[in-house]
Amino acid sequence: SQQGEEDPQALSIQEGENATMNCSYKTSINNLQWYRQNSGRGLVHLILIRSNEREKHSGRLRVTLDTSKKSSSLLITASRAADTASYFCATDAKDTGFQKLVFGTGTRLLVSP
Amino acid sequence: DSGVTQTPKHLITATGQRVTLRCSPRSGDLSVYWYQQSLDQGLQFLIQYYNGEERAKGNILERFSAQQFPDLHSELNLSSLELGDSALYFCASSLEEGELFFGEGSRLTVL
Repeated sequence: SQQGEEDPQALSIQEGENATMNCSYKTSINNLQWYRQNSGRGLVHLILIRSNEREKHSGRLRVTLDTSKKSSSLLITASRAADTASYFCATDAKDTGFQKLVFGTGTRLLVSP
Repeated sequence: DSGVTQTPKHLITATGQRVTLRCSPRSGDLSVYWYQQSLDQGLQFLIQYYNGEERAKGNILERFSAQQFPDLHSELNLSSLELGDSALYFCASSLEEGELFFGEGSRLTVL
């Protein structure tokens, strides 16, 4: 079963606009990661945020983490058509003692030129 | 290129058959993860190995088994295949905690 649930399930925007995706999870975590998947391809790691961090940036990506609400958001600024993909959050639950990543349901992002 | 190699890329077989999916992790990575991705179930964690030993089990069916060999490559065996086993099977590797590197997947079609 999924640990994380992404919202929205699908998002359609124009190039240049910002895209925000949200992830909610159920248990305490060590870290939360975001991955991107182009259609039918392997997932690619975007960013990792640890449970003691609140915000992290990488290029046009900004990730926030609110452990009190068990939620995270991924913001892609100035989106491009090449950003069209599915985006997944993945959580590493705290009780396992080692990394076991469980992925959410994903957000399908479509960026139109 | 993630450095993780999965074979075969595509596989078509019949119900009741058995298949083996192979994964070569990135050089130096000790952990191998297997995931199943289908339209209705999303991306499901199956099993994880670390340096040859099973470390964590997820939603892996009893008809499925896996192992990691001394050279760190891993195989996922799927037997008594059913139509519902049709999916993309991903292998990922990592050194320790943190970023997973995914292969391009093996697409299994069961007819």
